[in-house]
Amino acid sequence: QQQVKQSPQSLIVQKGGISIINCAYENTAFDYFPWYQQFPGKGPALLIAIRPDVSEKKEGRFTISFNKSAKQFSLHIMDSQPGDSATYFCAATVNQAGTALIFGKGTTLSVSS
Amino acid sequence: EAQVTQNPRYLITVTGKKLTVTCSQNMNHEYMSWYRQDPGLGLRQIYYSMNVEVTDKGDVPEGYKVSRKEKRNFPLILESPSPNQTSLYFCASSSTGGLAQETQYFGPGTRLLVL
Repeated sequence: QQQVKQSPQSLIVQKGGISIINCAYENTAFDYFPWYQQFPGKGPALLIAIRPDVSEKKEGRFTISFNKSAKQFSLHIMDSQPGDSATYFCAATVNQAGTALIFGKGTTLSVSS
Repeated sequence: EAQVTQNPRYLITVTGKKLTVTCSQNMNHEYMSWYRQDPGLGLRQIYYSMNVEVTDKGDVPEGYKVSRKEKRNFPLILESPSPNQTSLYFCASSSTGGLAQETQYFGPGTRLLVL
């Protein structure tokens, strides 16, 4: 029940296309859903996050869509660029002090020019 | 510059030889955490610390120890490393007691190979 399932494992998108990464969870107590971006040789960095009281959050070319009833959330990268090539992790947690982030297994995105 | 630093960045060792990976942050964060990253498994939490002298187990604590004697430092100790601890390790920190909504800042990683 603590798992976060992420798909696909890898993704190749042409420059200018839309990249979509999906995550699903079981624990209905989860109330905070961040996405982290990781470039090779670097640590993950927070990209965007959402709370379940909204169905969508947009920051620039990055959008999180959240479906509470289906217990699913997804990351959409519009107008994908080669610089977006990285590994993306979704995560979920209960927003209490000390509670661990539960990460998905990651999606490696390659944007071809 | 606000950052989390880890040392060493790369380490090759042999089974059973005790080692310590250091982690330090300069942001006065209360919350610090260690993760390991393995291909196909994502990031899994090893230990975390809410504040000085307060530590607790994460999802995969077996074979690891930590200490938090100072706010800025959170070393990861492998008393008797084994090959299954070969991994990429990340230290992270965040403010305000570790509320998950606070951004966690990750260090650059330590790649460990245990022969």
